[in-house]
This record gives sequence, structure tokens and C-alpha cells, in this order.
Amino acid sequence: GENVEQHPSTLSVQEGDSAVIKCTYSDSASNYFPWYKQELGKGPQLIIDIRSNVGEKKDQRIAVTLNKTAKHFSLHITETQPEDSAVYFCAASELTGGGNKLTFGTGTQLKVEL
Amino acid sequence: GAVVSQHPSWVICKSGTSVKIECRSLDFQATTMFWYRQFPKQSLMLMATSNEGSKATYEQGVEKDKFLINHASLTLSTLTVTSAHPEDSSFYICSAGEKRIKQGETQYFGPGTRLLVL
Repeated sequence: GENVEQHPSTLSVQEGDSAVIKCTYSDSASNYFPWYKQELGKGPQLIIDIRSNVGEKKDQRIAVTLNKTAKHFSLHITETQPEDSAVYFCAASELTGGGNKLTFGTGTQLKVEL
Repeated sequence: GAVVSQHPSWVICKSGTSVKIECRSLDFQATTMFWYRQFPKQSLMLMATSNEGSKATYEQGVEKDKFLINHASLTLSTLTVTSAHPEDSSFYICSAGEKRIKQGETQYFGPGTRLLVL
């Protein structure tokens, strides 16, 4: 099955700096890579996703890059703000007959300091 | 759009009782819903995949008789924790898959249900 590794486990940045979180996956058949933000006590919120037919996607301060050859993808947050503080999860999707089954990374606790 | 609700948001119950958690996709039809369990400071663990009108597919190690899943309609799936015990205390989260033309399926998560079994 798919295995997703995520680094770092914790990340502390100063407000206004950039933050980068990296993930690697094992199954070359995976073709969908979403990123979720989870605040304490809440469900994960989809913030951006990328499919294997593109190498980069950007949405305002958030961007994701994908390297299919190396099987890794990264989340980039620019101009970080205190409200970006949360746990971020990457995931890789294995398309099955019953739907896209997600395998999650272990999460990154991002702290944006004033 | 793409809103998923869960009810209840938290529940406290006595050991031995059963607890039902509802998951609804409010503004789209979800042919597939997923149930996850999350322990403090850990990642999401997939418990089962639920397809409308068919039996759920459980992940290895998840007891199907313990965690009953029903997906009665395209907008509702329920998870029943039967004969709950303290070790079942956890944060249960559902997600619903929304399919879009040429975009495949995207999973949207509910707000989660915190279960505490005394």
C-alpha cells in the first residue's frame, strides 16, 4: 500500500516569513495530492490540491509543487500570518473502485510567531 | 460549497452503550464517504470506506461488528460505535467525496465528533 512521509514534524517561523513542508510517497500509481489544515478540535480543511498532470499550483499565498519522478510534493506558504498556525497534513490518493482512498502524512505543527 | 456536517460534535456515554454519529454532505451528493479516527497529536487513521447502497469496506484491524456503518443515501452516512468502552474514546471524523467532471474526486471533511466513554 501507499506510504506517505512528512517533514518536519514541527515548524516555527516568524510572521511574514515563508514556510515549506515536504512529503514523499511510495506508490507511483498515486495521482492526487491534497493538503489539509487542521486547527485544534476541528476537522481538516482542504487548502490546496494538485493532480499528477501538473507540476505546480498556486492559490494566493499557498502553492504546491509536485515532482512525480522523485515522488515528492511540497507545500509553500508565503507571508505567513499568525492565523496560519495549525497542523498541516499532506495526503496521497490511490484511486480505487469505491473512491479516492487517502493516505495521510504524520502532520506538521506550524507555529507562526509574532 | 462542499460542506460536510457531523452530529453530534461531542458525546459522553457510559461503557457498554452504543453511540451513533451522523455525517451529512450538505450541498453535494457523495457517492463515497469515509470514516477516520484520530488520537491526540496523531494523524488520521482511515477506518472504513462507505459507498451508498452497499456494504462498507473496513481497513485491516477495524472490527466491523464494533463499528457499524450505514450509508443510506447520497448525503448521509452513519457510524455506530457498539458497546463502547473507554478505549474507544477518540475523535471521529468523516469525509465525503465530491466528484467533479475532469477533476476526479475531492474529499471534504466534517468538523469531527469527540467521543468520551466513561
